[in-house]
Amino acid sequence: GENVEQHPSTLSVQEGDSAVIKCTYSDSASNYFPWYKQELGKGPQLIIDIRSNVGEKKDQRIAVTLNKTAKHFSLHITETQPEDSAVYFCAASKGFGNEKLTFGTGTRLTIIP
Amino acid sequence: DGGITQSPKYLFRKEGQNVTLSCEQNLNHDAMYWYRQDPGQGLRLIYYSQIVNDFQKGDIAEGYSVSREKKESFPLTVTSAQKNPTAFYLCASSILITNTGELFFGEGSRLTVL
Repeated sequence: GENVEQHPSTLSVQEGDSAVIKCTYSDSASNYFPWYKQELGKGPQLIIDIRSNVGEKKDQRIAVTLNKTAKHFSLHITETQPEDSAVYFCAASKGFGNEKLTFGTGTRLTIIP
Repeated sequence: DGGITQSPKYLFRKEGQNVTLSCEQNLNHDAMYWYRQDPGQGLRLIYYSQIVNDFQKGDIAEGYSVSREKKESFPLTVTSAQKNPTAFYLCASSILITNTGELFFGEGSRLTVL
């Protein structure tokens, strides 16, 4: 089955700097890659996703890049703010159906004021 | 507001007892899911349901049971057969299970076995 590795497990960034979280996946047939943000005491929330026919996607300060050849994708957060502090999960899926999603182990991002 | 409500938020259980976690959604979503979250691990799928009266095992279904008698409700029972039940449990829903898209999560239930 699919295996998703996520690095780093923890990341501290000065407010205003950029943060990058990387994930690699094992199944070259995977075609959907979402990122979820989980704030303390809450459930995860989708912040951005990308499908395999696209190399990059941006939404304001957040961007995701996908390298299908290398089988890795990354989350980029620019101009970080204190409210960006959370745990971020990547995931990968092959085919259609959320039941096929495999999640990474999470990255705890701390923004230092 | 539309969303997913999980209860209770915290639950303590003695070994050998069954416990049921509630999940209700008012998003009119067809698909519902239960995930387990452990420290340092990703979310792992326990059970999912596409329609009323139908559900399928996920990757770690052993020791758990579910029912889907109503579209808006998908309770999870953690049975005494689950060997390591202490965890954070998340319920989620999506519009359609056949379309990979956004999962909407509840705020979770933390189960501790004493």
